[in-house]
Amino acid sequence: EPEVTQTPSHQVTQMGQEVILRCVPISNHLYFYWYRQILGQKVEFLVSFYNNEISEKSEIFDDQFSVERPDGSNFTLKIRSTKLEDSAMYFCASREQGSYNSPLHFGNGTRLTVT
Amino acid sequence: RKEVEQDPGPFNVPEGATVAFNCTYSNSASQSFFWYRQDCRKEPKLLMSVYSSGNEDGRFTAQLNRASQYISLLIRDSKLSDSATYLCVVNMGNRDDKIIFGKGTRLHILP
Repeated sequence: EPEVTQTPSHQVTQMGQEVILRCVPISNHLYFYWYRQILGQKVEFLVSFYNNEISEKSEIFDDQFSVERPDGSNFTLKIRSTKLEDSAMYFCASREQGSYNSPLHFGNGTRLTVT
Repeated sequence: RKEVEQDPGPFNVPEGATVAFNCTYSNSASQSFFWYRQDCRKEPKLLMSVYSSGNEDGRFTAQLNRASQYISLLIRDSKLSDSATYLCVVNMGNRDDKIIFGKGTRLHILP
């Protein structure tokens, strides 16, 4: 079964550094998403992306965050200057075009630790 | 009203029992609804989509009540492996692009 893959599985960075989290969505999917989950808390929507542009974004997704689809397969989340409170699990998801009932498929996540 | 609201639990239920969760959502225009399960420190996994007429998948039944803006999940004959957090998921966006998760309901199945 096709999968969403995310790399790395764990990233440790120092406060103020830039990080790039990488995702390869399922190949025939056209909608892409980033979510984050702080330990013990809910899965929070960050951003959705379709047709090479952001469709929706949450209040969390401020100027420190950006997304890109640099080629036909990768979908990246960049955090420009990490803060301690950015420590969380970051999940990438994708879904196919078509019915509004097409569900999200998630990657295994990247655990980001900011020290 | 929160966008997607769930009782956090935990629900402690003996094996073999039936358990039900509800979830309420704020946007009356929402069109798509899902139940996901999440095991500790893992990614959410789709349990089932929720259709307007209600739907069943084995021991799991999902219902949608648009008038009252809630969805429900019923688990019959619960198994130890059903222990997880159950996440209510609603597409809140006008263009189907803002998919929001509830905080989840923790379920413990007791042997």
